[in-house]
Amino acid sequence: DAKTTQPPSMDCAEGRAANLPCNHSTISGNEYVYWYRQIHSQGPQYIIHGLKNNETNEMASLIITEDRKSSTLILPHATLRDTAVYYCIVRVEGQTGANNLFFGTGTRLTVIP
Amino acid sequence: GAGVSQTPSNKVTEKGKYVELRCDPISGHTALYWYRQSLGQGPEFLIYFQGTGAADDSGLPNDRFFAVRPEGSVSTLKIQRTERGDSAVYLCASSPRTGGPNEQFFGPGTRLTVL
Repeated sequence: DAKTTQPPSMDCAEGRAANLPCNHSTISGNEYVYWYRQIHSQGPQYIIHGLKNNETNEMASLIITEDRKSSTLILPHATLRDTAVYYCIVRVEGQTGANNLFFGTGTRLTVIP
Repeated sequence: GAGVSQTPSNKVTEKGKYVELRCDPISGHTALYWYRQSLGQGPEFLIYFQGTGAADDSGLPNDRFFAVRPEGSVSTLKIQRTERGDSAVYLCASSPRTGGPNEQFFGPGTRLTVL
């Protein structure tokens, strides 16, 4: 699986959009981009994933550049409960034994009141 | 509905002892994963079950670690002759299928402390 690079920490004001970047310059054509987050003392929580097109769900939006070498997770209106470590992961789908996730150290997002 | 549950939530043991950590996945989920998370690090993959069989155990650090899932539901991670370096949070996750894009649902983890 391709490696990802994320800033170690970010701050965001409550109510503002949080934009979390991720570089994955060695991503392959069949690798998806996944985002998970981990709130303190809890297990990781799935947020969103995408392959080429931008994606949006009730939690966030995922913007993937045309060359797929980077992406941005957007939390449109950050709340204090969004304070967590956010992990960007790339992985190949559908291969037996390749379904595990490779987490890096992620970005620690702190939402400030 | 019920999510992934793990027991115990905390386990303190002495060096050299044997421990078992239990994971109850979401009902009907065929895939089950174990991860280990050390302080300040992201989770690291240990083993993956597809049904009852271990499809990938390449993340197990050594032969002191073993996991089973005899009926394709509950899984037990077993650690023999525990060492202080085994101290970590052990996370279990399940997903409804093994192929195609899918999300993994994580439990709260078991915090293992080896004294």
